[in-house]
Amino acid sequence: EAGVTQFPSHSVIEKGQTVTLRCDPISGHDNLYWYRRVMGKEIKFLLHFVKESKQDESGMPNNRFLAERTGGTYSTLKVQPAELEDSGVYFCASSHSSRDRGYEQYFGPGTRLTVT
Amino acid sequence: AQSVTQLDSHVSVSEGTPVLLRCNYSSSYSPSLFWYVQHPNKGLQLLLKYTSAATLVKGINGFEAEFKKSETSFHLTKPSAHMSDAAEYFCVVILEGGADGLTFGKGTHLIIQP
Repeated sequence: EAGVTQFPSHSVIEKGQTVTLRCDPISGHDNLYWYRRVMGKEIKFLLHFVKESKQDESGMPNNRFLAERTGGTYSTLKVQPAELEDSGVYFCASSHSSRDRGYEQYFGPGTRLTVT
Repeated sequence: AQSVTQLDSHVSVSEGTPVLLRCNYSSSYSPSLFWYVQHPNKGLQLLLKYTSAATLVKGINGFEAEFKKSETSFHLTKPSAHMSDAAEYFCVVILEGGADGLTFGKGTHLIIQP
């Protein structure tokens, strides 16, 4: 079974540019989560999709971040325009069911974003 | 508010000696607690989870953790460290009534000395 994949693995962009991160969850997983780790800080929850619907986006830092999950399969996270403080590692995770939040979340390797 | 505190940012042990990674939580309820591990250039992997069944939880790779409500702790242990255990370990909680996602501690780097 293929795991959660993320693309790209690294991205270096200039302040003011746009970047789109992609996450492919494990096939059949309805739940998809985005997290972010800024250097020196803990991993923080950004948002949660159930299929194509945003279930909880309380962790999104501001309106420069836009997440989509068209068709309930892969998801994209767009940052536009990027700021220096957006640098960090962006993780995606998926899980099988939304009924029990204790279900294991399977994480991707992350995308390291550097804004210069 | 519920949260987790990992007391050590780095722990260094010799190969073959016991491992102890400390985690304390604050919660008004009986929480769901997890330990995740991240090896370099890999995704986070679930080591074990506590969800109000047995207080001593066994995980993968010989790790275990004990839930102690009186001490609000969920420390991770392993009897004998192996070089392959070198990684970053995260204590994690699910907030009751809060955001959908996991709440992470700051992480502990485990260093194994040969």
